[in-house]
Amino acid sequence: EPEVTQTPSHQVTQMGQEVILRCVPISNHLYFYWYRQILGQKVEFLVSFYNNEISEKSEIFDDQFSVERPDGSNFTLKIRSTKLEDSAMYFCASRGGPSTDTQYFGPGTRLTVL
Amino acid sequence: AQTVTQSQPEMSVQEAETVTLSCTYDTSESNYYLFWYKQPPSRQMILVIRQEAYKQQNATENRFSVNFQKAAKSFSLKISDSQLGDTAMYFCAFDPLSGSRLTFGEGTQLTVNP
Repeated sequence: EPEVTQTPSHQVTQMGQEVILRCVPISNHLYFYWYRQILGQKVEFLVSFYNNEISEKSEIFDDQFSVERPDGSNFTLKIRSTKLEDSAMYFCASRGGPSTDTQYFGPGTRLTVL
Repeated sequence: AQTVTQSQPEMSVQEAETVTLSCTYDTSESNYYLFWYKQPPSRQMILVIRQEAYKQQNATENRFSVNFQKAAKSFSLKISDSQLGDTAMYFCAFDPLSGSRLTFGEGTQLTVNP
């Protein structure tokens, strides 16, 4: 069964460093998402991406964040200068169509900022 | 904007018994999806069950079923014959379709006791 994959599973970085989290969505899917979950809290939406551009973003997704689909398979989230409060689990999700499918989640990347 | 509320932060149940987790939501949309996701200690998001709002019949998946009350905007999850492996955090989520974001509730930590 197709699945969303994410790398790395765990990333440790120093405050102020740039990190890139990688996702490979399900191959025929068109909509891509990033969500964040701070430990012990609920899952929060960051950004959605469709047709090679951001379709929606939350207030969390400020200028420190960017997303890219550099090729036909990868979908990346970049945090330019990490802060302690960026420590969280980051989930990538994809769906095939806007109204006919479910969002499928990847296993997540645990980001720890020291 | 949609909101999702899970009023039970923690619940426990004895193995083999039945438990019901509550979820309410607020929306002005007429068509949408609702989901229950399970998050075990690994923190992976696992889809448990999906309900389309236009369907009056409640969704079922093996031991998992929902009680969907559209007028009351209520969407509870019933787990029958609870198993130790059901121990996890359970999140209710609202999907307005149109490729938009999921909105999650705060979660309910379910513990199944032997």
